Amino acid sequence: DAKTTQPPSMDCAEGRAANLPCNHSTISGNEYVYWYRQIHSQGPQYIIHGLKNNETNEMASLIITEDRKSSTLILPHATLRDTAVYYCIVSGEYDKVIFGPGTSLSVIP
Amino acid sequence: KAGVTQTPRYLIKTRGQQVTLSCSPISGHRSVSWYQQTPGQGLQFLFEYFSETQRNKGNFPGRFSGRQFSNSRSEMNVSTLELGDSALYLCASSLFGVGSTIYFGEGSWLTVV
Repeated sequence: DAKTTQPPSMDCAEGRAANLPCNHSTISGNEYVYWYRQIHSQGPQYIIHGLKNNETNEMASLIITEDRKSSTLILPHATLRDTAVYYCIVSGEYDKVIFGPGTSLSVIP
Repeated sequence: KAGVTQTPRYLIKTRGQQVTLSCSPISGHRSVSWYQQTPGQGLQFLFEYFSETQRNKGNFPGRFSGRQFSNSRSEMNVSTLELGDSALYLCASSLFGVGSTIYFGEGSWLTVV
């Protein structure tokens, strides 16, 4: 089973920040938090990952709480092309990478 | 550099037949994993290979098998196909597995009739 829980769907206005939450209350010390997204019928695309510290790249920011039991993916200025299913995954080295149902994000014009 | 390449992209098979899908990982990547995606079950982990050895396995019947070659290329095979095997089969590669970024191919669409 997936080690994360995410809301099944969210809406975001185009141009606004999209904040996607993820709960991973059973995360252990050596497990990373990964975010992927999948646009319909395409292979999942890597977005960002982190262990303890907040991370930022050209696509998004990842905010991990101090107790590491939850995280938030932030898309700073959502566009229509960001409409996709977003998966939050927790996994340690050599673990299976298990996908949950994810959050279906709809960016609305 | 080239991404993860999967072949064939689309195929149709008949119940009872077998199918082999191929995956070429990103150059230098030693870990290859396979997933099945269906509308009802989402993305499900099949297995992972690292340096020609199966390192992890999901909860699929023995009809689903795979292997990895010395050049890291991987194949998966499904024997005695059932209608329920119709799905998108995705391959992903990474340098050394979890802890390194996993990159997915575009998948192979299998329809069983």
